[in-house]
Amino acid sequence: AQKITQTQPGMFVQEKEAVTLDCTYDTSDQSYGLFWYKQPSSGEMIFLIYQGSYDEQNATEGRYSLNFQKARKSANLVISASQLGDSAMYFCAMREYNDMRFGAGTRLTVKP
Amino acid sequence: NAGVTQTPKFQVLKTGQSMTLQCAQDMNHNSMYWYRQDPGMGLRLIYYSASEGTTDKGEVPNGYNVSRLNKREFSLRLESAAPSQTSVYFCASSEAGGRYYNEQFFGPGTRLTVL
Repeated sequence: AQKITQTQPGMFVQEKEAVTLDCTYDTSDQSYGLFWYKQPSSGEMIFLIYQGSYDEQNATEGRYSLNFQKARKSANLVISASQLGDSAMYFCAMREYNDMRFGAGTRLTVKP
Repeated sequence: NAGVTQTPKFQVLKTGQSMTLQCAQDMNHNSMYWYRQDPGMGLRLIYYSASEGTTDKGEVPNGYNVSRLNKREFSLRLESAAPSQTSVYFCASSEAGGRYYNEQFFGPGTRLTVL
């Protein structure tokens, strides 16, 4: 069964605007972690932000914030003030103990 | 401090050939992982090693074997390569297995083509 769903294969955003990338997950565990990674065209995986299942506040890291809605099982990534360098694939992932599952990704393109 | 390194960066094999992908980390992490990434998909876990001396299957282990040589090194072996194993392979490490909050640090990947 699909554990991580990213419903937006591709997204476009104007430079300097904010964009939200959607992620929903499926788990029956109480303890889990949610991650977002960026994969530029060069191929490396870059960690962006983390949210724990017990964290009450939404995580923020610079221009990145994670909109965590536990009851809806969603963990959307918000990028504020988009930059051209934000153009990349973005993957949502969920970790339960040693099992890490990734979504299929969203390709974000930032337009000048 | 190189982080996670992988060799080789690129490899082309013929069906039935064998090869070993090497991974090493210098962050003193306990846990290491092997993933594959197919076009248009996210990463899928092949095998992981929660600590030195232990290995466990992930989501897609068939056709692969692993060895946790020591705390630093974790290798992935394809005994008889098949075209379905054409993929980009990523190695990753994290501080401790079993703790969901530990982020994973990824190597640069190995692009493998099986003809």
